[in-house]
Amino acid sequence: EDKVVQSPLSLVVHEGDTVTLNCSYEVTNFRSLLWYKQEKKAPTFLFMLTSSGIEKKSGRLSSILDKKELFSILNITATQTGDSAIYLCAVEAGGTSYGKLTFGQGTILTVHP
Amino acid sequence: DVKVTQSSRYLVKRTGEKVFLECVQDMDHENMFWYRQDPGLGLRLIYFSYDVKMKEKGDIPEGYSVSREKKERFSLILESASTNQTSMYLCASSPTGTYTQYFGPGTRLTVL
Repeated sequence: EDKVVQSPLSLVVHEGDTVTLNCSYEVTNFRSLLWYKQEKKAPTFLFMLTSSGIEKKSGRLSSILDKKELFSILNITATQTGDSAIYLCAVEAGGTSYGKLTFGQGTILTVHP
Repeated sequence: DVKVTQSSRYLVKRTGEKVFLECVQDMDHENMFWYRQDPGLGLRLIYFSYDVKMKEKGDIPEGYSVSREKKERFSLILESASTNQTSMYLCASSPTGTYTQYFGPGTRLTVL
């Protein structure tokens, strides 16, 4: 059974701090790992990672994948209150082309002013 | 912009009622998905569909069924709602060959 585990489950920081969110996985036939940010409504897509060691960046957010150790991290530098959200990690695995994802539990990030 | 809409943001039903949750996407995506989201458990896949009239069970299909009569519309049906189906339900869609899913705003269902 495919499994995705995120840590920590929740995190409280102050504006300006740097945070690192973790995602480890055990899946058959890994294809890609995705990060989503969920605020009050639906998750929105952040990154898709398929190759080991290549960092994806978008502003203050960055992510990297380690396919040997089966994990990914999401870094947020100089956090702002608007970064408060649930961050979801998902893994696509198997031979299907249907885009079926297995999600982790999510990390609830709270950024205080 | 991809748009995925869900018929209700909040829904309150009684135990034993039949419940329909509707999802519509406007980007001609082949794949559509229904998830439920519960604290500490993340998103869990209930059912997905890769074409009209095609459906496959996800990880937790018990107590649910789905219908996809048109490409843009994917319905989740609770034949006889139970209190343990109180949850946030999220619909998503994606085109074939990509794994980026686009989510609707969610329906928070409470079963009393």
